[in-house]
Order: sequence, then structure tokens, then C-alpha cells
Amino acid sequence: KAGVTQTPRYLIKTRGQQVTLSCSPISGHRSVSWYQQTPGQGLQFLFEYFSETQRNKGNFPGRFSGRQFSNSRSEMNVSTLELGDSALYLCASSGTGGPQEIQYFGPGTRLLVL
Amino acid sequence: GNSVTQMEGPVTLSEEAFLTINCTYTATGYPSLFWYVQYPGEGLQLLLKATKADDKGSNKGFEATYRKETTSFHLEKGSVQVSDSAVYFCALSPLGGYNKLIFGAGTRLAVHP
Repeated sequence: KAGVTQTPRYLIKTRGQQVTLSCSPISGHRSVSWYQQTPGQGLQFLFEYFSETQRNKGNFPGRFSGRQFSNSRSEMNVSTLELGDSALYLCASSGTGGPQEIQYFGPGTRLLVL
Repeated sequence: GNSVTQMEGPVTLSEEAFLTINCTYTATGYPSLFWYVQYPGEGLQLLLKATKADDKGSNKGFEATYRKETTSFHLEKGSVQVSDSAVYFCALSPLGGYNKLIFGAGTRLAVHP
């Protein structure tokens, strides 16, 4: 079974631009979560989607948004990029998102904002 | 609120040494607990998990026991290898958290021959 895939793997943007990242979960998984990883703040939860609905959201500004499609693929969007948005963005999938389920992570998208 | 505290790294060991990475948590009720590992340039991989008090998770020689009385989930391995060099993250999944993991800061392990 193929793992979680994320595209693109690397991205360079300038301040003020917007960016869209994509995540394809493991086949059959319906829950997708997004995380931001930075050296200063570590790994922080952004949001979670299940059946095209956002069920959970972390403490991030409204510039960060996401969506999920009927095939469970998910995208996250960051508008008006700031230098501090430079990070590794990880997505993870699981079957239904229950707290005892294992989350399977993708390799991440490394975003650099100049 | 929910939080995870890990011992700071880096931890530097010689091959075949004993490893302990301390992890304590704060949470309501009985969260599920996980250890994830991140190798350079990669995403996170699950190492082991425990879902209730006194459960012991184990994988690839690593072990951790869910201790409710001390709110701890320390990671141990009896004999580390160079290939274990990576960053280790302790995490909890709160009740009703819907695929939300709260991570510790991570502990970098370097194993030398």
C-alpha cells in the first residue's frame, strides 16, 4: 500500500505571496491532519479534516486554511506569507481519526519564505 | 491543558549503550501515548504506542510503559546502534482529539561507533 504523499517537496516563495500544499492519504484513510514543524516552535497541529469537514483546529491565524476533497485528498493554503511561515509542513492520515489510531506521516513539504 | 515535556538533547551515546529518554505529560483523562522517530530529511515514523495505563509499547528493541501514577512514558532501549541516530518525539492524543497529536520538543540522539 502506498504511503502518504505530499507535493511539492520543496517550495520557495516571497513575502506576501500565497501557497497551496497537497496531501494524498493512504488509500482508505479518511482523516487527514496537518502539522507545522519549525526549530523554534517544534511540531504544532494546524487542523484535521474528515469527510470534507474540518473537525479540529489548532491555534493558527486565519491565513492558514485547508480543505478536503471527496477522495480524501487534502490541501492547505497559506495566504499573505510571512518570513515566520518558513517551516516543514507535514500531513498525516489515519482511518477515522480516533485518538487511539496510528497517524501515518508523509515526508513533508519544506517551505522557504524569502 | 494538554502538554508533553521531554528531556532536552542532544543525547550522545556509544554503540551498545543503554538509552533512556524521559517523557512526562499533562492531560485530562487517559490519552493515548506515542513515540515517533524522525530520521534526517524524512517525515515521522511511529515507533510505538500505548493506549491505557500500564500498557507497554515495544518495537525494534525500544520499549515504553504508560505510567498513569507518574504521568510518564519514558523510552528505553537496551543496546543502541548507530542506525538509531535520529530525533525522537513523545506525543499524546487527547480524548476526542480527532487525529490531533500534541508533541514534545523532540530529543536528538547521536550514537557513535
